[in-house]
Amino acid sequence: EDQVTQSPEALRLQEGESSSLNCSYTVSGLRGLFWYRQDPGKGPEFLFTLYSAGEEKEKERLKATLTKKESFLHITAPKPEDSATYLCAVASMDSSYKLIFGSGTRLLVRP
Amino acid sequence: DVKVTQSSRYLVKRTGEKVFLECVQDMDHENMFWYRQDPGLGLRLIYFSYDVKMKEKGDIPEGYSVSREKKERFSLILESASTNQTSMYLCASRATNTGELFFGEGSRLTVL
Repeated sequence: EDQVTQSPEALRLQEGESSSLNCSYTVSGLRGLFWYRQDPGKGPEFLFTLYSAGEEKEKERLKATLTKKESFLHITAPKPEDSATYLCAVASMDSSYKLIFGSGTRLLVRP
Repeated sequence: DVKVTQSSRYLVKRTGEKVFLECVQDMDHENMFWYRQDPGLGLRLIYFSYDVKMKEKGDIPEGYSVSREKKERFSLILESASTNQTSMYLCASRATNTGELFFGEGSRLTVL
């Protein structure tokens, strides 16, 4: 069964304290892995797509990496405005329409 | 930029009422989706549509129906709202080439 697990569930950081969020997945052939940011009361906002192991994408203080079993979202020198829930989702070769979402990591960055 | 617009941000309805949630996208995407999001349960797929007048059940279709008469518009219908349908409802459209989903702002429905 296709599955996505995110850890930790919640993460508190001081401003400037770098860290990483993990997304482990089990799928029957990965079509793509997606990272989203979600602010309270709003819809998820697309961040990155990764397609193959070894691929990396960057945007400002965020960097996403991908291996055959997991993805990391690295946050370098975070700021309070980076506080949000970060969602990971995968699309499998068997079901290209449907994304399987993880339960998310709630990130709080304190000034 | 892709824009997905949901008609209502907040709704309060009574048990048994019929509820329409509408979603419009402006990027000519073929695929559109309705999810609900609940604390501790994450995002769950209700229905999706891969083309006009085409629809498929997602993981939790019971109590819901959908309509896709035009490519840009995808509606979610609760024929008779119940309290367990109180939730955040998210519409999304999918970029054909890359597979990315683009979400609307969400519609928070409360059923009393």
